Amino acid sequence: EVQLVESGGGLVQPGGSLRLSCAASGFTFSSYWMIWVRQAPGKGLEWVASIKEDGSEKYYVDSVKGRFTISRDNAKNSLSLQMNSLSAEDTAVYYCARNYNGLGYWGQGTLVTVSS
Amino acid sequence: QSALTQPRSVSGSPGQSVTISCTGTSSDVGGYNYVSWYQQHPGKAPKVMIYDVSKRPSGVPDRFSGSKSGNTASLTISGLQAEDEADYYCCSYAGRFIFVFGTGTKVTVL
Repeated sequence: EVQLVESGGGLVQPGGSLRLSCAASGFTFSSYWMIWVRQAPGKGLEWVASIKEDGSEKYYVDSVKGRFTISRDNAKNSLSLQMNSLSAEDTAVYYCARNYNGLGYWGQGTLVTVSS
Repeated sequence: QSALTQPRSVSGSPGQSVTISCTGTSSDVGGYNYVSWYQQHPGKAPKVMIYDVSKRPSGVPDRFSGSKSGNTASLTISGLQAEDEADYYCCSYAGRFIFVFGTGTKVTVL
């Protein structure tokens, strides 16, 4: 069974940093592009970042470029999102998702709250 | 990377059909046959209902169907049921593994 489990969310002050993780199981992690998507409270879905199977290509939404870094460890079946210089606008539930047949599998999400 | 445009809400009675539109540009919806649709119930993660414009994952009822014409994609729910009440989002590939989501549509079953 495919499973994606996010962790690392929490309360952080503006300007602070946080690292999210996504533990994958039930499939060959190294064979899929992986995606981070976020959803601000009461708002819609927003694509945040994508990473190629081997980690050699990474893409970001303009609003996080230079602040967020997506990475993966295929040996540990793990996806990460390093978030720096956080602002209130980054407050959201962050989901990791597997890119195949659309975004076919999603984690349950982890909440990031940026507030003083 | 502007969001795709969806109607804010649509509604229908049980058994009726509703259609949700998703309008983008030639750089996203119109440029690729990689439009997907997601259903999201409150407090839950999104679930893919349609991918590659019109393909349905196993387990998704065949009353969900997708299509595309030019820069606009559509999701049709036929034979509306109470459990279909949810938020729906379209998503399009926009090249170089960049994705853009729609603004979201709330479907209400009257």
